[in-house]
Amino acid sequence: EAGVAQSPRYKIIEKRQSVAFWCNPISGHATLYWYQQILGQGPKLLIQFQNNGVVDDSQLPKDRFSAERLKGVDSTLKIQPAKLEDSAVYLCASSPEGGEGGYTFGSGTRLTVV
Amino acid sequence: AQSVTQPDIHITVSEGASLELRCNYSYGATPYLFWYVQSPGQGLQLLLKYFSGDTLVQGIKGFEAEFKRSQSSFNLRKPSVHWSDAAEYFCAVLAPGSYIPTFGRGTSLIVHP
Repeated sequence: EAGVAQSPRYKIIEKRQSVAFWCNPISGHATLYWYQQILGQGPKLLIQFQNNGVVDDSQLPKDRFSAERLKGVDSTLKIQPAKLEDSAVYLCASSPEGGEGGYTFGSGTRLTVV
Repeated sequence: AQSVTQPDIHITVSEGASLELRCNYSYGATPYLFWYVQSPGQGLQLLLKYFSGDTLVQGIKGFEAEFKRSQSSFNLRKPSVHWSDAAEYFCAVLAPGSYIPTFGRGTSLIVHP
């Protein structure tokens, strides 16, 4: 089966600019996650979707981050305006309903804010 | 809430040597447990998982992990490391009924020829 697709792979922007990341999960996976992975740390969940509804966005900095999953398939994560501390790898993952089977991760988008 | 501790930031082994990466968790009951590997520039790949039953779990790439309830541990092992195993390894726990895993900070494996 095709994996989780993410784009772009790399992005460099200046602080205060905006940026958007795209994720296409594995076909049929109801649950989609966005994680932020800062260098030297484990992934931190930003937001979880179940189909096209938000299940958990408690750790999403909503003043600057937004995400949507229209039609319950692919998803977009946006940062506006970006800060230096947003430099990280943004990982998208998907799973069938329920996470017990494990998660399939995309290759991530490496964001550098200068 | 569950938490995960990977006490070793870096582990260095020689190619062909055995490997053990430590993972300790904190949770009131037995959680679901996972090990993921992340190669440079790549996403996380699932190595193995434990739900219940046999406490010794076999995974891909010759890895295994043993769940020890008394020690709240889920250590990852491999009898003979290959240079291609150099990567970042993450332990994760998932509370039964939850959708959201908690990841450890990761252990970086360095393999010397």
